Amino acid sequence: GENVEQHPSTLSVQEGDSAVIKCTYSDSASNYFPWYKQELGKRPQLIIDIRSNVGEKKDQRIAVTLNKTAKHFSLHITETQPEDSAVYFCAASDGGYQKVTFGTGTKLQVIP
Amino acid sequence: EAGVAQSPRYKIIEKRQSVAFWCNPISGHATLYWYQQILGQGPKLLIQFQNNGVVDDSQLPKDRFSAERLKGVDSTLKIQPAKLEDSAVYLCASSLAGGGNEQFFGPGTRLTVL
Repeated sequence: GENVEQHPSTLSVQEGDSAVIKCTYSDSASNYFPWYKQELGKRPQLIIDIRSNVGEKKDQRIAVTLNKTAKHFSLHITETQPEDSAVYFCAASDGGYQKVTFGTGTKLQVIP
Repeated sequence: EAGVAQSPRYKIIEKRQSVAFWCNPISGHATLYWYQQILGQGPKLLIQFQNNGVVDDSQLPKDRFSAERLKGVDSTLKIQPAKLEDSAVYLCASSLAGGGNEQFFGPGTRLTVL
């Protein structure tokens, strides 16, 4: 089955700096890669996703890049703000009716 | 649009007792997921339904966990008997169709097994 590894497990940045979280996956059939943000005590919510026919996708301060050859994808947050502090999860799916496999999460702390 | 509903929100039980969780997905969503999230870890898929059929239950401890989705809408997840290591948040999520679509999560049920 699919295996998703995520690094780092914790990340502290100064407000205004950039943050990068990296994930690798094992199943070459995976073609859908969402990122979820989970604030303390709350449910995960989708912040951005990318499909394998696209190498990069941006949404304001958030971007995701995908390298299919290397089987890794990354989340980039620029101009970080205190409200970006949360746990971020990457995930991978083959886009069909197969399961979505989540990474282990990255706890991001933005220091004001 | 109403979100994914779950109940109860909190449950405390003794080990070896039984417990059941309920989930009502977003209307029209064919795929329903049950996840177990232990503190500090990512969500672990327990079971995935497509309408009322099971797509994946490879990580469901079938000796104690069971789930059903009657009529392809609401779902229940049961644990019988519970163990200490079952203490976790149980998240229900739904999506339009399959893992290639955004999942919408419910608020979760926090289970504590004493």
